[in-house]
Amino acid sequence: KNEVEQSPQNLTAQEGEFITINCSYSVGISALHWLQQHPGGGIVSLFMLSSGKKKHGRLIATINIQEKHSSLHITASHPRDSAVYICAVRGRDGNKLVFGAGTILRVKS
Amino acid sequence: NAGVTQTPKFQVLKTGQSMTLQCAQDMNHNSMYWYRQDPGMGLRLIYYSASEGTTDKGEVPNGYNVSRLNKREFSLRLESAAPSQTSVYFCASSTTANSFYEQYFGPGTRLTVT
Repeated sequence: KNEVEQSPQNLTAQEGEFITINCSYSVGISALHWLQQHPGGGIVSLFMLSSGKKKHGRLIATINIQEKHSSLHITASHPRDSAVYICAVRGRDGNKLVFGAGTILRVKS
Repeated sequence: NAGVTQTPKFQVLKTGQSMTLQCAQDMNHNSMYWYRQDPGMGLRLIYYSASEGTTDKGEVPNGYNVSRLNKREFSLRLESAAPSQTSVYFCASSTTANSFYEQYFGPGTRLTVT
């Protein structure tokens, strides 16, 4: 079993829909990261969180440390949100990240 | 600021050839990383350098070597390329100025070994 599991693997949504991507992990962590990989390949960091909830524009990330689970929500989705969304966790013992396989999101207009 | 830069963007090698992937960052970050990304799998750490002068193996180091040339530059060398090393390679750097160690990624190098 991978240390970081994401679901779903693929997601197709209609423009305007509310989207949820889930991430579960099996190790103790000091932080969880959500990243976005554009179709051209570039990877950018969206959120880093160790507790609670963070919001940036239409994106919301939540984490439940006890349940070892995080969700990334996109409100009022748009075709430009189409990308691969990657969850990664950092263990308590260093600055290395362990990555999930990613969720491929396609938003249709 | 250019952020993290990588060269080359694309490369095709024959089995047994060698090459070096270059990475540089201009953000004064202490830590640098090399990852590979394969279809259906998450990014996997090849090597990392927590600070200038130190390097450590990651999850998949076999067949690779690295050099932290200075604080800015971290290169990845394939001494004898194999088809299993066909992948997209990403370099990243991170600051240790906060507890999150946010990582900044380069644009990637797409390598094909035939």
